[in-house]
Amino acid sequence: GQQVMQIPQYQHVQEGEDFTTYCNSSTTLSNIQWYKQRPGGHPVFLIQLVKSGEVKKQKRLTFQFGEAKKNSSLHITATQTTDVGTYFCAESYNNNDMRFGAGTRLTVKP
Amino acid sequence: DTAVSQTPKYLVTQMGNDKSIKCEQNLGHDTMYWYKQDSKKFLKIMFSYNNKELIINETVPNRFSPKSPDKAHLNLHINSLELGDSAVYFCASSQAQAGYNIQYFGAGTRLSVL
Repeated sequence: GQQVMQIPQYQHVQEGEDFTTYCNSSTTLSNIQWYKQRPGGHPVFLIQLVKSGEVKKQKRLTFQFGEAKKNSSLHITATQTTDVGTYFCAESYNNNDMRFGAGTRLTVKP
Repeated sequence: DTAVSQTPKYLVTQMGNDKSIKCEQNLGHDTMYWYKQDSKKFLKIMFSYNNKELIINETVPNRFSPKSPDKAHLNLHINSLELGDSAVYFCASSQAQAGYNIQYFGAGTRLSVL
């Protein structure tokens, strides 16, 4: 079935470096959501993008939705140790169904 | 108060046993879900219930059966546990609207089958 592909699978950065994770789909996405899961924790909703070309910011986090609504990215500026975790993109469709990307596991070296 | 709570947090059991995981949400949401997260962190939706009706049933073994006594509860019963069932199981809820379906997850149940 349709999949949301997410890359990279792992990313290790030095504290202060930037980080980006990408999601891609072969078909048009109705929306894209982003979640963060801390080690040992549960996924927590960060944001949802709906409009073509949409860009939203949350402090050091910038979320983008592609013009064709087939890709999305999450960029973190100047990573901190508190950013450690796995970041998931997900698509909500048919009102009640969800499709998650495989996640990008971010580690930050102090 | 915890919005989505699930119990137990940890579950260690022998192969062949039957076990249940309970989930409750106090957000007033109309849809609840069960997810399985394997050791590679893949999140796979197993079931969802909307107004006490099963609306998604992915290709999970029929040893797994969701039960919803009311819209605030969605329990997961697993028969004849197998080694491959070891994973973290997350309950979630949402207020599904056209284009908006934000998931609120419970803390997870870490199931180990020995």
